[in-house]
Amino acid sequence: QKEVEQDPGPLSVPEGAIVSLNCTYSNSAFQYFMWYRQYSRKGPELLMYTYSSGNKEDGRFTAQVDKSSKYISLFIRDSQPSDSATYLCAMRGNTGFQKLVFGTGTRLLVSP
Amino acid sequence: DSGVTQTPKHLITATGQRVTLRCSPRSGDLSVYWYQQSLDQGLQFLIQYYNGEERAKGNILERFSAQQFPDLHSELNLSSLELGDSALYFCASSSQMGLAGSTDTQYFGPGTRLTVL
Repeated sequence: QKEVEQDPGPLSVPEGAIVSLNCTYSNSAFQYFMWYRQYSRKGPELLMYTYSSGNKEDGRFTAQVDKSSKYISLFIRDSQPSDSATYLCAMRGNTGFQKLVFGTGTRLLVSP
Repeated sequence: DSGVTQTPKHLITATGQRVTLRCSPRSGDLSVYWYQQSLDQGLQFLIQYYNGEERAKGNILERFSAQQFPDLHSELNLSSLELGDSALYFCASSSQMGLAGSTDTQYFGPGTRLTVL
């Protein structure tokens, strides 16, 4: 079983829809949670960074962490065709050096 | 543009060969991380260097090695290449060591696409 599970998609939505992307994890030591966006043939780009549980909002993006359920989400409001990309969740622990553990990514397609 | 540069963009080689991938971190960043991304495995951490010293190892094969030079650029050497080594190789950099309690953010380069025939 992988430490981080993420539905690969693709997830297809019309422009303007609210998108929900999710990851589940098994390691309760994870404390830092990130969402990266990766366009085709490009490197991952950091979108959101959250420590421990709770919500964080940045423009059209909201990240949620529920540590009791080991579940994190990224919501995209008013989705745009330019949001079409692969979204990777990543997480790490809080003791010593902790490598980033990534989900395999969810491919999102937003149609005009 | 993240500020992290990687060369070459594409590399096509044969099984059994050796290649070197190069990474220049963002200005001021001391940590360099190497990752491998394949379709079925996602992004896998390979190795981290901080200010010239190896700090952490992940799922790096013995056929692979890396180093970070005094000017902080890093090279990843892949030898005795196999078909299964075909993947995207990413370099990331950050300003800190990546230890507990730090909100260390990793910035990724554009990657090198390696094809082993």
